[in-house]
Amino acid sequence: KNEVEQSPQNLTAQEGEFITINCSYSVGISALHWLQQHPGGGIVSLFMLSSGKKKHGRLIATINIQEKHSSLHITASHPRDSAVYICAVTNSGAGSYQLTFGKGTKLSVIP
Amino acid sequence: GAGVSQSPRYKVAKRGQDVALRCDPISGHVSLFWYQQALGQGPEFLTYFQNEAQLDKSGLPSDRFFAERPEGSVSTLKIQRTQQEDSAVYLCASSPSWLAGYGGGTDTQYFGPGTRLTVL
Repeated sequence: KNEVEQSPQNLTAQEGEFITINCSYSVGISALHWLQQHPGGGIVSLFMLSSGKKKHGRLIATINIQEKHSSLHITASHPRDSAVYICAVTNSGAGSYQLTFGKGTKLSVIP
Repeated sequence: GAGVSQSPRYKVAKRGQDVALRCDPISGHVSLFWYQQALGQGPEFLTYFQNEAQLDKSGLPSDRFFAERPEGSVSTLKIQRTQQEDSAVYLCASSPSWLAGYGGGTDTQYFGPGTRLTVL
């Protein structure tokens, strides 16, 4: 089973700061997902990537397959970015539909 | 268009009671997933449907848990004789394509808002 580790577990930032959340995993994957979960439970998919880098607005996700590591960056952070950010992976091979999740990083952006 | 919906949003059950949680996936989505999320933890896989077929139920924690999707659209997760350790948020997700086998894990999953189950 893939082990997914995220750091930090909790992060508090001032509005406008550049934020980085890290994710590492233990075995080969077919894709890595970054998800956002607001209080109340709803989960939104932010990115799905298997190589390189993706950008959407102020969010940037990168992945290094050789190092089994991904980062999520938020530029010019805003209080509305406050949420739990979850990294999840789908393993390569049979049963590759299963998502294995990290425990999440709770981000609080203070005005 | 409508997203994934789940009902009820909150459920309080007495220990030993049976509960049924409903998931309405996005119309036309082939794949449907159930996850369990304990407080402060990431979600954990429970089961996977491709249309009406339950292809993987390896994550169901005990035989008290049962899921079905009889017509390949709406799904129900049933928990019999609930225990306190069943308290969690139960998340449903759907995706448009079939995801069995090699290389299938690259499809976005669309999540519902979850059902928060509290067993007293």
